[in-house]
Amino acid sequence: GAVVSQHPSWVICKSGTSVKIECRSLDFQATTMFWYRQFPKQSLMLMATSNEGSKATYEQGVEKDKFLINHASLTLSTLTVTSAHPEDSSFYICSARDEGAWTEAFFGQGTRLTVV
Amino acid sequence: AQSVTQLDSHVSVSEGTPVLLRCNYSSSYSPSLFWYVQHPNKGLQLLLKYTSAATLVKGINGFEAEFKKSETSFHLTKPSAHMSDAAEYFCVVSENAGGTSYGKLTFGQGTILTVHP
Repeated sequence: GAVVSQHPSWVICKSGTSVKIECRSLDFQATTMFWYRQFPKQSLMLMATSNEGSKATYEQGVEKDKFLINHASLTLSTLTVTSAHPEDSSFYICSARDEGAWTEAFFGQGTRLTVV
Repeated sequence: AQSVTQLDSHVSVSEGTPVLLRCNYSSSYSPSLFWYVQHPNKGLQLLLKYTSAATLVKGINGFEAEFKKSETSFHLTKPSAHMSDAAEYFCVVSENAGGTSYGKLTFGQGTILTVHP
């Protein structure tokens, strides 16, 4: 199946700093990528839909100025957590769909963010 | 609108016995349904998917699921559990026409499967 690579797999940062997470589709083009957040022992919550060449669509309650999303090419989307705080510590996962709505989404390995 | 309910937060079985993970969904449009597995601190791996073809879907690692429209269910089964099946499983729905949910995945709450020797 298609491969989605997410980097880094884990990161520790200090409060107030910014962290960038990359999501790449390695063998297909993804006009749309999705960013999820997963709290311990909970399900995945969609944060935003990343659209190549246009602004991301954020879910209700997600701060767009806090979680900056850039989808500059058909194979790369980035999520930047700005001015990180300990409550931003979480597991972030990206996914991409090859085409249409019938194919499955392919998920990155996830990024464990810890803000100290 | 679409939603998914996984009826059990935890399921515990003995190795070699059958596995049943239950999932009910609701969808305003013709849905696609998926089961994903997640091992600790890992991404999600697709087990199987239903996309309006055969209602009985076979996936990887011996898993299968049956789409029952009348019951709005998509339960995941496996005849014989293996220790390596211990993980968290997510039932996921995606609407395929119209509305603001088009193309979005909605996740169930997850079911943690424990397999005892």
